[in-house]
Amino acid sequence: QKEVEQNSGPLSVPEGAIASLNCTYSDRGSQSFFWYRQYSGKSPELIMFIYSNGDKEDGRFTAQLNKASQYVSLLIRDSQPSDSATYLCAVVQGAQKLVFGQGTRLTINP
Amino acid sequence: GAVVSQHPSWVICKSGTSVKIECRSLDFQATTMFWYRQFPKQSLMLMATSNEGSKATYEQGVEKDKFLINHASLTLSTLTVTSAHPEDSSFYICSAPGLAGQETQYFGPGTRLLVL
Repeated sequence: QKEVEQNSGPLSVPEGAIASLNCTYSDRGSQSFFWYRQYSGKSPELIMFIYSNGDKEDGRFTAQLNKASQYVSLLIRDSQPSDSATYLCAVVQGAQKLVFGQGTRLTINP
Repeated sequence: GAVVSQHPSWVICKSGTSVKIECRSLDFQATTMFWYRQFPKQSLMLMATSNEGSKATYEQGVEKDKFLINHASLTLSTLTVTSAHPEDSSFYICSAPGLAGQETQYFGPGTRLLVL
């Protein structure tokens, strides 16, 4: 079992709709979770981090964490074509070490 | 926000040569930096943790004699790919924690290496 799992997609969503990205992790002791966006040929950029169970909102983005189910999700409201990218879920293990999922490729269709 | 730079942004070299990649934290000090490698259509894989003033910590399966890491100052870490081969062609990305004790990492723009 991979430590961090994501559906690789591609996930196709019409413009203006809600995109839902999911991630599960295997280490029940994990405390810190991150979502990064990566455009083709570029390095990842941080979108959000979440530490506590529940929802965390930042603009059009909402991160959801359920530690009991070992599940993290990212919702993107009012999806825009510029949101088309690969979204990487990452979990901290050990001393600041990030373990990444394989990423979900998201395409927003105009 | 924290800015991390890398140089060069891309490099093409012949098989058997060595290539040095620099990672700098521009507006903050980083006692720790991380080096990742990303092959096409794959996720980032941590190669090693660079520690200022001490030896780097390598992940399982990463050859420390092939990927030399030097973290000589609080703002600079270098990765040298020695005797590069075509299978070393990849996207190399460094990152650094933004603030002391904070787990958020900021990534450099990456270095694309092509070994012919």
